[in-house]
Amino acid sequence: QKEVEQNSGPLSVPEGAIASLNCTYSDRGSQSFFWYRQYSGKSPELIMSIYSNGDKEDGRFTAQLNKASQYVSLLIRDSQPSDSATYLCAVHQSGAGSYQLTFGKGTKLSVIP
Amino acid sequence: DAGVIQSPRHEVTEMGQEVTLRCKPISGHNSLFWYRQTMMRGLELLIYFNNNVPIDDSGMPEDRFSAKMPNASFSTLKIQPSEPRDSAVYFCASSRDSIEAFFGQGTRLTVV
Repeated sequence: QKEVEQNSGPLSVPEGAIASLNCTYSDRGSQSFFWYRQYSGKSPELIMSIYSNGDKEDGRFTAQLNKASQYVSLLIRDSQPSDSATYLCAVHQSGAGSYQLTFGKGTKLSVIP
Repeated sequence: DAGVIQSPRHEVTEMGQEVTLRCKPISGHNSLFWYRQTMMRGLELLIYFNNNVPIDDSGMPEDRFSAKMPNASFSTLKIQPSEPRDSAVYFCASSRDSIEAFFGQGTRLTVV
């Protein structure tokens, strides 16, 4: 069973702090990794993608990937109340002729003003 | 770009009725996905099309569910007959070459 695990939270951080969201995955052959943000009652919105080990920065967001540890994280610097949402980790599973973008169940982030 | 367009946004139907959900992917995208989201199970992939051909339907829960993609700009997900346990939010997503997937606004289905 290929799994993507996230802490469901809620994760509460004060405004201006760094929020750290973590995700582990079971399939060592996974090749592509994504973070989606989902506001309540809305659809998932792609905010970051990462394909190789290391860090990838985009504005206040940094994605980190460690394939040896099967671990991917998302850091949000200078957290804002508007960042309050559920963050979904998604992993592109390997498999000949098939596509599996498997999602974790998400971590709910609350940024306290 | 208008993004992925789904209709209807909300659907309430009685148990046993047929339900058809519709999706128009982003122009130029060649992969289309149907997902279902519930509190208990999160986001589950139901079926994946590539170049209008169903590639992986292992997530379709049972024979009551069927999906078609007659052309590159339209797909349907049909449930017949519907049951209360089918109540969920159904998302359609599209991508180019199965990489980054972009989601539609979803259809909230309630079966009573």
